[in-house]
Amino acid sequence: GENVEQHPSTLSVQEGDSAVIKCTYSDSASNYFPWYKQELGKGPQLIIDIRSNVGEKKDQRIAVTLNKTAKHFSLHITETQPEDSAVYFCAASFSSNTGKLIFGQGTTLQVKP
Amino acid sequence: GAVVSQHPSRVICKSGTSVKIECRSLDFQATTMFWYRQFPKKSLMLMATSNEGSKATYEQGVEKDKFLINHASLTLSTLTVTSAHPEDSSFYICSARDRLMLTKNIQYFGAGTRLSVL
Repeated sequence: GENVEQHPSTLSVQEGDSAVIKCTYSDSASNYFPWYKQELGKGPQLIIDIRSNVGEKKDQRIAVTLNKTAKHFSLHITETQPEDSAVYFCAASFSSNTGKLIFGQGTTLQVKP
Repeated sequence: GAVVSQHPSRVICKSGTSVKIECRSLDFQATTMFWYRQFPKKSLMLMATSNEGSKATYEQGVEKDKFLINHASLTLSTLTVTSAHPEDSSFYICSARDRLMLTKNIQYFGAGTRLSVL
């Protein structure tokens, strides 16, 4: 079945440094890749997404890259701030019909002031 | 826009009782909503897909008689945990897809419900 692997499980960076989280997916038919940020005790918040017809997308300090051939995609956060500390989840969807998302295991990002 | 409201945010109940959790799309209509369960420090596990006007589709291993889902309108889905037991204690999260943007496949999430069964 569909599977999404996410690495690393924890990431600690100094404020101002960059953070990179990587995901790989198994289903080559996947065509939608969102990233969610989840703060403690809250629901996931969509921060950026990318579709299979695009290789890169950027929104201020956040960017996502997609390599369809290798079936992996990455989240890049530049100039990290303490408020970026949270759990980040990648996900993949292969069917806009069902809309189901397969989530990665999550990455706990800690930004040290 | 795209706000999903989930209620209650926290509920504590006695073993054997039933608990209902509501998920509402506030500024859009949702033909499809999803219910997830999340254990501490773990990822989101899809429990079921809630379809407006029809039966929910449950993931393998999820007891449909235990977790009753009703999606009676385009803005409301409910999850009822029947005869709750301590092992049902968890964080339950719903999400919704805007029916006018189905091809975009975006899911908007509620804030979650922390269920504690004593």
